[in-house]
Amino acid sequence: GAVVSQHPSWVICKSGTSVKIECRSLDFQATTMFWYRQFPKQSLMLMATSNEGSKATYEQGVEKDKFLINHASLTLSTLTVTSAHPEDSSFYICSACRAGLNEQFFGPGTRLTVL
Amino acid sequence: AQSVTQPDIHITVSEGASLELRCNYSYGATPYLFWYVQSPGQGLQLLLKYFSGDTLVQGIKGFEAEFKRSQSSFNLRKPSVHWSDAAEYFCAVGALDGAGNMLTFGGGTRLMVKP
Repeated sequence: GAVVSQHPSWVICKSGTSVKIECRSLDFQATTMFWYRQFPKQSLMLMATSNEGSKATYEQGVEKDKFLINHASLTLSTLTVTSAHPEDSSFYICSACRAGLNEQFFGPGTRLTVL
Repeated sequence: AQSVTQPDIHITVSEGASLELRCNYSYGATPYLFWYVQSPGQGLQLLLKYFSGDTLVQGIKGFEAEFKRSQSSFNLRKPSVHWSDAAEYFCAVGALDGAGNMLTFGGGTRLMVKP
């Protein structure tokens, strides 16, 4: 159990377009989901924390109007990169927490390339 | 605030040799500690975790880690490395807050295995 999926696995888009990435907990209800960004050969940086039905909490330096997070249900959170630019190219990873468990379950990641 | 340091950015070992990856953390309370492995272009796979109890923790793929409170360390070990162990390894410390279990990652250690 505790499987988290992300869709798409990779996406290439033109500069100025918006891209939506989905994160789903397949076999459990996720009270909290997290979004991370990872640059090549670097560690994961937490972007934001989202709880179902409430606004996301963004880390310092992360533009909330640029990275829109919606956690509409207990199994789905979405990250929308608005008006993407080449500097937004990165590996985006989500994770989900199950109620009562002190552990995050990670998705496989989404590679975003903005041309 | 918690922090994690992985002093070794790169480590190269010969196949069959023993391995130890270092991890030091800073946290005011009893930490939840994790080791993850990441292959190129992939998400994170949990190797093992420490929440409480026995300070020597066994994980998957023959890995183990020892929590040493006096040294604020949680080093990862494997007695005999296989070529397939070549990957990036991340140590993380978790802390409970109102949003759930927040993870702070170390910078990662890239393991290379020589034939």
